[in-house]
Amino acid sequence: DIQMTQSPSSLSASVGDRVTITCRASQSISSYLNWYQQKPGKAPKILIYAASSLQSGVPSRFSGSGSGTDFTLTISSLQPEDFTTYFCQQSYTSPYTFGQGTKLEIK
Amino acid sequence: QVQLVQSGSELKKPGASVKVSCTTSGYTFSNYAMNWVRQAPGQGLEWMGWINTDTGNPTYAQGFTGQFVFSLDTSVSTAYLQISSLKAEDTAVYYCARSVSSGHYFRFDPWGQGTLVTVSS
Repeated sequence: DIQMTQSPSSLSASVGDRVTITCRASQSISSYLNWYQQKPGKAPKILIYAASSLQSGVPSRFSGSGSGTDFTLTISSLQPEDFTTYFCQQSYTSPYTFGQGTKLEIK
Repeated sequence: QVQLVQSGSELKKPGASVKVSCTTSGYTFSNYAMNWVRQAPGQGLEWMGWINTDTGNPTYAQGFTGQFVFSLDTSVSTAYLQISSLKAEDTAVYYCARSVSSGHYFRFDPWGQGTLVTVSS
């Protein structure tokens, strides 16, 4: 199975900050990488697919980059509603594994 | 709009079975595969497998065979997850999630709201 490792596991930041979350795959997955946001008690919501494609309706402050094994999710200017948990997922091959999550907290 | 609505929380005793439903609306059910994802309390997301909503053929991830069964009722655009021989470690929120493709790439969108299954004596 492909292992997905996110870093950091948690991150403290302030409103208006620019933050980057990293996801590393245990083998090359080309651009088959999705990012989800999950708020407490809610289902995950797709933000970015194919490593860098912004899902319709998602604010443009979210962006994704990377290919192969190393990927990043960047939030250009944090808003209060962005302080929650983010997961990456590889869609390259079954089983479609997720990273362990990154919790973004208010500093 | 596209919606996936899951059945409500369940409290079951060890050894019992449970059937979770995922009722869809707003799109053609048989055109999109349905996935199931487990999230244990305070933990990450585990992909359990998927079911082809056109053929009914299920595919289970390793670790989710035998005890878990995916099924469909296409007449009501609903997918089901049945879990038998429940154990305490099956306590989790179970999500259904539709697969959407763009060329070779797919993502899960949208997700059901989740169903909490609690196993306790």
